[in-house]
Amino acid sequence: DQQVKQNSPSLSVQEGRISILNCDYTNSMFDYFLWYKKYPAEGPTFLISISSIKDKNEDGRFTVFLNKSAKHLSLHIVPSQPGDSAVYFCAANAGNMLTFGGGTRLMVKP
Amino acid sequence: NAGVTQTPKFRILKIGQSMTLQCTQDMNHNYMYWYRQDPGMGLKLIYYSVGAGITDKGEVPNGYNVSRSTTEDFPLRLELAAPSQTSVYFCASRSLAGAIETQYFGPGTRLLVL
Repeated sequence: DQQVKQNSPSLSVQEGRISILNCDYTNSMFDYFLWYKKYPAEGPTFLISISSIKDKNEDGRFTVFLNKSAKHLSLHIVPSQPGDSAVYFCAANAGNMLTFGGGTRLMVKP
Repeated sequence: NAGVTQTPKFRILKIGQSMTLQCTQDMNHNYMYWYRQDPGMGLKLIYYSVGAGITDKGEVPNGYNVSRSTTEDFPLRLELAAPSQTSVYFCASRSLAGAIETQYFGPGTRLLVL
């Protein structure tokens, strides 16, 4: 039973356009949500996070939105750049342990 | 600036063989974690440790063992390798006082069990 789901395994976007990556969760005990970016042959690196008491957090080109009632979060990347091409994982925290979604492979075409 | 290092990078094992995946961090972090990532799946927590001498099971501990004799090292042991353990293994660490965002991952060990 997956508590964190990313339903889109892949996403292709043109350079300069917006990328929207989605994530759904089921556990109401999650209190913090994170997005990680992963390049091939490397470990995941932290990208952006949001507390469950907020509904939006912005960092440069990256914005995360949280809809608690829908148990849904999304990552917006504007404008998308070819260097953003990677696998993106959402993760949810409960008790200092992270539960990860399956990942979405983002391809940004020049 | 080593961070979290893992060895080996890649290994092929025969069914029934054993091996130890090494993980070392030089940030004096209390928390250390082992995850596995199967194709198309997210990372699943195998074991974690909150400090030297203290370990606990994660979501998928069966078939693995860990030890934490020092702050720096957190090896993962496979005693009887099975094809289901074919995966990419990531070690991570985080400081006790640090926010959850400060969980740093190693580059991973790719394991193939044939």
